[in-house]
Amino acid sequence: DGGITQSPKYLFRKEGQNVTLSCEQNLNHDAMYWYRQDPGQGLRLIYYSQIVNDFQKGDIAEGYSVSREKKESFPLTVTSAQKNPTAFYLCASKNAGGTDTQYFGPGTRLTVL
Amino acid sequence: KQEVTQIPAALSVPEGENLVLNCSFTDSAIYNLQWFRQDPGKGLTSLLLIQSSQREQTSGRLNASLDKSSGRSTLYIAASQPGDSATYLCAVNGDGGNTGKLIFGQGTTLQVKP
Repeated sequence: DGGITQSPKYLFRKEGQNVTLSCEQNLNHDAMYWYRQDPGQGLRLIYYSQIVNDFQKGDIAEGYSVSREKKESFPLTVTSAQKNPTAFYLCASKNAGGTDTQYFGPGTRLTVL
Repeated sequence: KQEVTQIPAALSVPEGENLVLNCSFTDSAIYNLQWFRQDPGKGLTSLLLIQSSQREQTSGRLNASLDKSSGRSTLYIAASQPGDSATYLCAVNGDGGNTGKLIFGQGTTLQVKP
C-alpha cells in the first residue's frame, strides 16, 4: 500500500515538554510539508522540504523544528517554545514541480495538558 | 499577500439538491487551484486540481471552475448525497509552482440531509 502514515494518532503533552510527530511516505515523493489546523480555520504551513537535508520555514515556524535525513521521513518536533500547540497536525507530500497534487496523511491531534 | 476565502462557512441541504461552494482569492497570479475534501478528524483527499490555464475540471458529480481574472473558483456538486457530507477546502498554489506551497481557505462544512 502506497501512502503517507502519521503517528501517533493522538498525543498529549505536558507544559514544557518537547514532542515529536512522525511522518513517513512510501510514494517516492521529493517534497514534504507540515501543516497545522485549528478549529474553524484552514491549514497553515509550518515547514516544508523539497529535498533531503534541506528544509524551509513556512508561515508559522516559530516553536517548531524539523529534519529531513531520509527521503521518506519528515519528523516534526513541537518544542516548549510553542505557546499554543494544541491543534491537528497534517503531513503531506508531492512530486517535485508544481503540477501534482499534495497527498495528505491521516493527521495527529496534539493536546497540551 | 495571498488570502483565500470560502463562503459560506457551513451549508445544509436536502439530499438530491445541486449546490455550489465558493472560493475567492486576492492575488490572481496563481499557478493552480485545488479542491480538497476532509472528513471529521481525518486527513485531506484531493478532489480536483485546476491549472491556471484551465477553466474547469470535472470528476463524476463534481465540477470545479476557475476564473483567475475575478479571483474566483466554484465547486459544483450535482445530485448531492448524504455521503457528500464533509468539509470542503480550496487551496491556491501561487509560488510559481516551484515549492508547491499551498494557501488554504477556511473551508465550507456541508451537511446533506437524507
